[in-house]
Amino acid sequence: QVQLQESGPGLVKPSETLSLTCTVSGGSISGYYWSWIRQPPGKGLEWIGYIYYSGSTNYNPSLKSGVSISVDTSKNQFSLKLSSVTAADTAVYYCARGKRGYDEWGQGTLVTVSS
Amino acid sequence: QSVLTQPPSVSGAPGQRVTISCTGSSSNIGAGYDVHWYQQLPGTAPKLLIYGNNNRPSGVPDRFSGSKSGTSASLAITGLQAEDEADYYCQSYDSSLNGSEVFGTGTRVTVL
Repeated sequence: QVQLQESGPGLVKPSETLSLTCTVSGGSISGYYWSWIRQPPGKGLEWIGYIYYSGSTNYNPSLKSGVSISVDTSKNQFSLKLSSVTAADTAVYYCARGKRGYDEWGQGTLVTVSS
Repeated sequence: QSVLTQPPSVSGAPGQRVTISCTGSSSNIGAGYDVHWYQQLPGTAPKLLIYGNNNRPSGVPDRFSGSKSGTSASLAITGLQAEDEADYYCQSYDSSLNGSEVFGTGTRVTVL
């Protein structure tokens, strides 16, 4: 049974870069698409972007200029960077497996943007 | 602002049938893109409930079913149980504005 686990700072200052990593265990990262999705407190889900294990990416056009997703197959990990964050980026960030339809999810990690 | 609209809430008594609508447009559901549904229990990550419009992953009870017609999709829950009380989200792809995966606004199901 594949498991996903997000890790990274829970507090980020405004204008800085949010960095998270998702570690995949119990299965290989190869052969799949991997996505990042976020959920502001009390609100709905928002797709951030995805990466194929080979490295090709696609990002939400509304976030595109500040988003970067990378993959490290040797560590079975993929990562998210979101630059120039504001309070509006405060959310629970989930990593998930899939491109359209996400069948495995991490438990999520709350990232708060505050000085 | 989501391009997939769901009712904020639906409710039903145990054993009843409830349906949740997901209304899109010609650039997403109406364009033929698949619809997926997720269940999010309080304080937990979403769980895939229906994929590819009407398919259940292994382990999902057959009380849950999905359908799609035109620019809309629906999730039906028959034999409603207390454990079904959760938030439900639809998801699809939208080809406008350079393309994007999109989620519905979400529906809270309350078991009376």
